[in-house]
Amino acid sequence: NAGVTQTPKFQVLKTGQSMTLQCAQDMNHEYMSWYRQDPGMGLRLIHYSVGAGITDQGEVPNGYNVSRSTTEDFPLRLLSAAPSQTSVYFCASRYQGAGKNIQYFGAGTRLSVL
Amino acid sequence: GQQVMQIPQYQHVQEGEDFTTYCNSSTTLSNIQWYKQRPGGHPVFLIQLVKSGEVKKQKRLTFQFGEAKKNSSLHITATQTTDVGTYFCVIGRGATNKLIFGTGTLLAVQP
Repeated sequence: NAGVTQTPKFQVLKTGQSMTLQCAQDMNHEYMSWYRQDPGMGLRLIHYSVGAGITDQGEVPNGYNVSRSTTEDFPLRLLSAAPSQTSVYFCASRYQGAGKNIQYFGAGTRLSVL
Repeated sequence: GQQVMQIPQYQHVQEGEDFTTYCNSSTTLSNIQWYKQRPGGHPVFLIQLVKSGEVKKQKRLTFQFGEAKKNSSLHITATQTTDVGTYFCVIGRGATNKLIFGTGTLLAVQP
């Protein structure tokens, strides 16, 4: 049972480059989300999705795009990377129904923007 | 920005001492969750509290939801080195119940 899978685990970008962080889950969860975690800080919600074709902004959406074409996948796109986007990115998923809020997290992607 | 504050930000204890972290919200909550993140790891779900005044125990961990459903606490009795990590409370916001993390409490345990 794979759970939530994130790729790549590590990435180094130059300022202005673009890239996509991949996230896939095999639990048939409706809800998926992306967080970023900066050193010594908590997790901040970037974007989330309550189902295929539906996405919405979280606390810190600027500089990031998402799409949800399938239930399983929720990629996060950085169109023009900036040093301020150096962080650890976590993808998470859960059921959307009431009382089923347990979020399962991927192992994270450690991104450095030079 | 963050709407959920946790205190303390950091706690250093000797192994065997107790530890408590508090989570405070400015608004009434429908429920609250707690997660633990080991150093270098990802957050892992611990528990969810739903009812006013609810108290739940998991071995040495005791979780409490305030009567007004605006605050919560996590208490660890007789800490062990395996308790090291950051403890986060997490709340749901809006119609879609998007989950927002608290600021977290980093626990260090000295053997």
